[in-house]
Amino acid sequence: GQQVMQIPQYQHVQEGEDFTTYCNSSTTLSNIQWYKQRPGGHPVFLIQLVKSGEVKKQKRLTFQFGEAKKNSSLHITATQTTDVGTYFCAVKRGYQKVTFGTGTKLQVIP
Amino acid sequence: DAGVTQSPTHLIKTRGQQVTLRCSPKSGHDTVSWYQQALGQGPQFIFQYYEEEERQRGNFPDRFSGHQFPNYSSELNVNALLLGDSALYLCASSVGTSGGTQYFGPGTRLLVL
Repeated sequence: GQQVMQIPQYQHVQEGEDFTTYCNSSTTLSNIQWYKQRPGGHPVFLIQLVKSGEVKKQKRLTFQFGEAKKNSSLHITATQTTDVGTYFCAVKRGYQKVTFGTGTKLQVIP
Repeated sequence: DAGVTQSPTHLIKTRGQQVTLRCSPKSGHDTVSWYQQALGQGPQFIFQYYEEEERQRGNFPDRFSGHQFPNYSSELNVNALLLGDSALYLCASSVGTSGGTQYFGPGTRLLVL
């Protein structure tokens, strides 16, 4: 089945530094979703992108969907300790079947 | 307004046993999806229920079955448990089948010994 790969797998940043995670697919995606999962918690929906080249912002978070709709990125400006967690990209197929990427685990060093 | 709830929170079973996990969707939601999340991995789609019927299924064996009740709550049953079934089982609810945000519950952590 179609897979989405994320890089990096892990990222340690100093508090205040920026962070970016990338999601890549070998095929064109109809949409891309982003989730955050805190340690010991459950995935929380952040956003969905559907248009080629789409860019959306949520406070310090910037989400981008590539022009070819084969990749996406999540950028966090000036990380805080509350940003700690694993960030997943995901693709919604069919009804509500969501296929998750491999995830990027973010650790923020105070 | 209660969010998605799941029970139990933790469960320990032995190989070969059967287990039933329960999920109550967020108020106003009628669709329930189940996911399995192994340690260090992303959630894997098991199946989805809408109008008391299984609508979509992921790559999971028939040992995994489910049910949705008229009040939209759902159960996930796993028979003949294997060690590899140890995981966090997540339930997500949404409205309808064509779109809308999925809200995940806290999950049930299953350990098979």
